[in-house]
Amino acid sequence: DSGVTQTPKHLITATGQRVTLRCSPRSGDLSVYWYQQSLDQGLQFLIQYYNGEERAKGNILERFSAQQFPDLHSELNLSSLELGDSALYFCASSVDSGSYEQYFGPGTRLTVT
Amino acid sequence: DQQVKQNSPSLSVQEGRISILNCDYTNSMFDYFLWYKKYPAEGPTFLISISSIKDKNEDGRFTVFLNKSAKHLSLHIVPSQPGDSAVYFCAAIYTGNQFYFGTGTSLTVIP
Repeated sequence: DSGVTQTPKHLITATGQRVTLRCSPRSGDLSVYWYQQSLDQGLQFLIQYYNGEERAKGNILERFSAQQFPDLHSELNLSSLELGDSALYFCASSVDSGSYEQYFGPGTRLTVT
Repeated sequence: DQQVKQNSPSLSVQEGRISILNCDYTNSMFDYFLWYKKYPAEGPTFLISISSIKDKNEDGRFTVFLNKSAKHLSLHIVPSQPGDSAVYFCAAIYTGNQFYFGTGTSLTVIP
């Protein structure tokens, strides 16, 4: 158990809908990262937050957004969902922005039908 | 554009032998590299890392080698154990905290 929690575990929704994925980092970790893993793909870095502020941005679509709240939990919002958004979404946390050792949650599997 | 590549999707090794997992990258600006292990239905777990100023880092049965001129790194597991069966991802970072992961290699250690 990494100490990072993600909810929900599974999510099935229809095209055009909007969903919110939630992540609680390890106790004491200030940095949160979001990744997308599509079928047969590696982990694609989406975005990083550190202590409530956006720190780095990767291949995140404009239809996606994220935020980190004062209690350090983070939410990833996916809107106007398309079939191709079906994937595993991982959240990871680290102690600070400069720490490269990330601790991953179990992931949320999103299926868009 | 896949900047970090793991060209072997799978690898099978006998228990007790050496497992060698390979990773190639294209961006010479990467300054830190990591290996993660992933079991089914779990998130990746950090395994070992190496800075670009080093060419080797060892942690127990796991050793990572970095060849900067070839833009290649490898993970050696000696001796391999059945519990090592998992998917292994290599990752690379450069300033700006952009993490780039490979597509993973599924290792099966045969008892």
